[in-house]
Amino acid sequence: FVMTQSPLSLPVTLGQPASISCRTSQDLVNTDGITYLSWYQQRPGQSPRRLLYQVSKRDSGVPDRFSGSGSVTEFTLRISRVEAEDLGVYYCLQGTYWLLGQGTRLEIK
Amino acid sequence: QVHLQESGPGLVKPSETLSLTCTVSGDSIRTTSFYWGWFRQPPGRGLEWIGSLYYSGGAFYNSSLKSRFTMSVDASKTQFFLTLSSVTAADTAVYYCEVGDFWSATDYWGRGIQVTVSS
Repeated sequence: FVMTQSPLSLPVTLGQPASISCRTSQDLVNTDGITYLSWYQQRPGQSPRRLLYQVSKRDSGVPDRFSGSGSVTEFTLRISRVEAEDLGVYYCLQGTYWLLGQGTRLEIK
Repeated sequence: QVHLQESGPGLVKPSETLSLTCTVSGDSIRTTSFYWGWFRQPPGRGLEWIGSLYYSGGAFYNSSLKSRFTMSVDASKTQFFLTLSSVTAADTAVYYCEVGDFWSATDYWGRGIQVTVSS
């Protein structure tokens, strides 16, 4: 099965919120009861960087305008107020089955 | 701080074997649930997961890439390796190594290495 990200392109206005969705047809809850769903950011010309793990836990140094939610088969990354440094491509990754989303390009409208 | 550095040839001929090394330096990884991972990104395209090797044991590979990839780690756990056999032009990409942990705020990436397959 696959991870389906949407939208694939997201034009945004700086200062406005943004949301990216990841969906799969299979239940992503691991046998230990934890959902290993992570979100990554890749700014232009840079290496990827993880933002969130276990759906909603922020990695070190990640601004609190980034948040994650969801369960079972549907997950969302939200940016409360988009800043210029947030532009780039975002990926979701499920760590039990190692499913990587196609990526969502966040760009200025 | 943990630092990762990929190394290897920048140019490989078709049908040859590509060998990449990721060297981990700096602070020690303070968990035992972490993994070493490899990703790649073809020119102008999205990120592709290649495989991951857990410190505690267990290796996972992207089944869509068939079985041309092999991952390993050295005894000191400071270097991990990726080999890709029978390369073609479709393997041209930036290759990234990662050390991550799904149970803690542990995630580090190398800067990536450009690999071009061409005769």
